[in-house]
Amino acid sequence: DTGVSQDPRHKITKRGQNVTFRCDPISEHNRLYWYRQTLGQGPEFLTYFQNEAQLEKSRLLSDRFSAERPKGSFSTLEIQRTEQGDSAMYLCASSFMEDTGELFFGEGSRLTVL
Amino acid sequence: GESVGLHLPTLSVQEGDNSIINCAYSNSASDYFIWYKQESGKGPQFIIDIRSNMDKRQGQRVTVLLNKTVKHLSLQIAATQPGDSAVYFCAENWANTGNQFYFGTGTSLTVIP
Repeated sequence: DTGVSQDPRHKITKRGQNVTFRCDPISEHNRLYWYRQTLGQGPEFLTYFQNEAQLEKSRLLSDRFSAERPKGSFSTLEIQRTEQGDSAMYLCASSFMEDTGELFFGEGSRLTVL
Repeated sequence: GESVGLHLPTLSVQEGDNSIINCAYSNSASDYFIWYKQESGKGPQFIIDIRSNMDKRQGQRVTVLLNKTVKHLSLQIAATQPGDSAVYFCAENWANTGNQFYFGTGTSLTVIP
C-alpha cells in the first residue's frame, strides 16, 4: 500500500483524556498536512509541515492541539484534555511538490469523545 | 471572515447527463483553486486545479471554469456516471499563505441510474 496511512482509524475516549493520531505519508512526499472534518462540512486546515519544519500552526484549534514530524517522515497529532467538541474526523494529507494543491489524503482517524 | 461557499448543497442528475457544481469564493486574494471529490468513508481525492491566470481548464470528463470578476468557480462533469456520486468540494489557496488550502462546505452529487 503506497497511500497515506492513518492510525488509529477510530478512537473513542472519555472527556479529559489525551489522544494521539499518527500519519504515515507517501514516502517521497515532503509536505504533510492535518485537517479536521466534522459531519457535513469541508475539511478544516489545521497545520502543515515541510519535511520536519512546521510551517503554519496558527490554525490549530487551541493550545490543546499539537503536531510533530520529528524526522520528516511520519507525523503525530495530539489532542490534550479532549472535549466533546473535538469529536470529528482528523485527516492527514501529503504532497510531493511545494506549489501544488494535489494533496493525497488518508482515510482519516475518527475521534469520538464521550 | 473570508469563506468558500457553494450555491447548492445537493444535486441529482440522470446517468449520462452533464453535471455542473458551483462554488462562490469571497477572498479576492485567492490565486489557486482545487476541486476534490469525497466518497463516503474516504478521504478527499484531487480532481482538478486551476490558477487565477486561467479561466478554464479541462481534464478527463471534467472542466473547471473560473470567473474572477464574480468570484465564481464551477466544475462540469460530462456524461455523469454512478461512480461520480460523492460530495464535491472546492478549495482555495490564499495568495502568499504557502500551501494552506481552505475548503467549502461541499455539494452532494447523486447520479440516478
